[in-house]
Amino acid sequence: AQTVTQSQPEMSVQEAETVTLSCTYDTSESDYYLFWYKQPPSRQMILVIRQEAYKQQNATENRFSVNFQKAAKSFSLKISDSQLGDAAMYFCAYNGNKLVFGAGTILRVKS
Amino acid sequence: DSGVTQTPKHLITATGQRVTLRCSPRSGDLSVYWYQQSLDQGLQFLIQYYNGEERAKGNILERFSAQQFPDLHSELNLSSLELGDSALYFCASSPRLAELYEQYFGPGTRLTVT
Repeated sequence: AQTVTQSQPEMSVQEAETVTLSCTYDTSESDYYLFWYKQPPSRQMILVIRQEAYKQQNATENRFSVNFQKAAKSFSLKISDSQLGDAAMYFCAYNGNKLVFGAGTILRVKS
Repeated sequence: DSGVTQTPKHLITATGQRVTLRCSPRSGDLSVYWYQQSLDQGLQFLIQYYNGEERAKGNILERFSAQQFPDLHSELNLSSLELGDSALYFCASSPRLAELYEQYFGPGTRLTVT
């Protein structure tokens, strides 16, 4: 069974600084997608970024980028120029044929 | 706004009761997924429907059932409710024939069982 591990229960970052959230996953599949979802206090699940496993190029969405290391089964999220609105729970998710979520990392942004 | 709608937003009921949660997917999406998010279990996949047919099952209890109707909206039925069923229930949808793709989540229904 596929598993997703987020080893950082909580992280803090100063406003305007950069922070990296870690994620590793376990799978024997070769074709899959990886995602980062954000869950702010409203509890809405918001898609932040996605990465197709067959693509070597790391995905980027504005201030959000990933470091995808397929061989190492690692998928970290980098948030640049952190803003107060980035404060949320961040979930890493793997999709082979069903979506499997990590336990989440709470990100706190300090002003 | 993801385009996925869920009703009701909040539901408070007593143990032993039965409730129905409703979800309308994004326009054009044929797949609907249900998830349960509780404090101690995280986000758990319950069940998936594709164009009216059950496609995949996750950690769904026998007391729970779901269906997807011809207009593609879906309902999750929870019966013989227990205190432990209190959770946030999400519906998500994804594009047709694209089970590997991203899923778009609704705002969730918060169920409180007292």
